[in-house]
Amino acid sequence: QVQLVQSGGELKKPGASVKVSCKASGYTFTTYDLSWVRQAPGQGLDWVGYISTNNGKTYSAQNLQGRVTMTTDTSTSTAYMELRGLRSGDTAVYYCARAPPPTEAAGLDYWGQGTLVIVSS
Amino acid sequence: EIVMAQSPATLSVSPGERATLSCRASQNVNNNLAWYQQKPGQAPRLLIYGASIRATGIPARFSGSGSGTEFTLTISSLQSEDFAVYYCQQYNNWPPEDTFGQGTKLEIK
Repeated sequence: QVQLVQSGGELKKPGASVKVSCKASGYTFTTYDLSWVRQAPGQGLDWVGYISTNNGKTYSAQNLQGRVTMTTDTSTSTAYMELRGLRSGDTAVYYCARAPPPTEAAGLDYWGQGTLVIVSS
Repeated sequence: EIVMAQSPATLSVSPGERATLSCRASQNVNNNLAWYQQKPGQAPRLLIYGASIRATGIPARFSGSGSGTEFTLTISSLQSEDFAVYYCQQYNNWPPEDTFGQGTKLEIK
């Protein structure tokens, strides 16, 4: 069965960086892309970005451009999301989610369990 | 940026009754609209994509409609497990710049 398993929670100080991993299994990694979505405590869902697992091309939310990097390691079917220059407003649960290729516009059908990132001094 | 507005913010409905949730886009998103259900402490779950296509394993009591800028999620006969928060999401643009609505909390009346 399809699974996305994320790394554990993190506590970081303001200005630090965090790197969250998302290991996929149960399907061919490069046939689907991945999106990252975050959710601040008690708030709604915010799209962070998208990575093509086929060619590594990335797209990120305008308000995070310059601070977020998304990568993949196809040899281990793992995606990574690194966020730099952390601020208190980055405190959130970060989700990876499987996205269809651009030719098959559809929703995010499988989600990781979420990784809580807390930014606090 | 396409802004998604959901209404109402909270909807109180009795089990067995029908629930109707709305989502409005600030510009045309065609039928590139998905609905998700989220329960406390859980990841969102895809219910509907393409505005009206049920995702795998989603019960028939969930239905989606609309296109362009106005969309509706209907739950025909509410079960206890349906009380949750529901989000709409547009994925119309390429390069991608997805946006979500702020959510509708469906609570037991």
